[in-house]
Amino acid sequence: DSGVTQTPKHLITATGQRVTLRCSPRSGDLSVYWYQQSLDQGLQFLIQYYNGEERAKGNILERFSAQQFPDLHSELNLSSLELGDSALYFCASSPISGANVLTFGAGSRLTVL
Amino acid sequence: AQSVTQPDIHITVSEGASLELRCNYSYGATPYLFWYVQSPGQGLQLLLKYFSGDTLVQGIKGFEAEFKRSQSSFNLRKPSVHWSDAAEYFCAVDFGNEKLTFGTGTRLTIIP
Repeated sequence: DSGVTQTPKHLITATGQRVTLRCSPRSGDLSVYWYQQSLDQGLQFLIQYYNGEERAKGNILERFSAQQFPDLHSELNLSSLELGDSALYFCASSPISGANVLTFGAGSRLTVL
Repeated sequence: AQSVTQPDIHITVSEGASLELRCNYSYGATPYLFWYVQSPGQGLQLLLKYFSGDTLVQGIKGFEAEFKRSQSSFNLRKPSVHWSDAAEYFCAVDFGNEKLTFGTGTRLTIIP
C-alpha cells in the first residue's frame, strides 16, 4: 500500500456520461498529480495541484476538470465521455511542488462503452 | 524540445542474466531523473532517482542506474534478474516544469 488511495478502482460507463475519480494523497503530502495511461498515448500528465492551487497543466482536455479540496483530497471530473477516454487514471502525491519523488496510487480503470 | 526516449519496447532475458534498460533524454541542462516500475494491475513504484552527485545510484530490489551527461542517458541495470522482475519499467524526467515526463516504457519478460 503506497498510502495514496484512489476510488473507484474500476468504472464502466457509457459515452456522453460524466464520472468523478477521487484521490486521497499520502499523509503529509501537499501536491497531487493526475496522469492518464493509455495504450496509444502512454503516461500523460494531466494536471497538478499544490495545497489547493493549480500549479501545472498538461494535455488535459476541456471536458476534464480537477480540483483539490481543503483536506487535500483531489477529484478529477471527466464529462461528455468518449470511447477514447478509456484508460487508467493515476493519482500521485508528493510532499512539495517541483522536483521530488511521486508516490502513485493503484489507479482507476475507466472503460467507456 | 524536452523529451524522454526508451528505445526498447520489449526486452526478454533469462532468469539470472544481467539486464540493462536504456533511457535517453533531450534537454539543455541536467534534469532530475527517475526509474519507476509497474507490475501488472499495480501503480508505479519508484526504483531509484538521481538529483546530483555520484552518477551511479543504487535503488531498491538490486537495481542501479548510471547517469552519463555526455550521452544524456540514465540506463537502468541489474546484474542478475529474478522472475519477479517481470514488469514494465518507466524512465521519468523532471525538466524543472513542475511535473514528471515519462518515457513510453519497456516491458520486461523473464524466461526460466
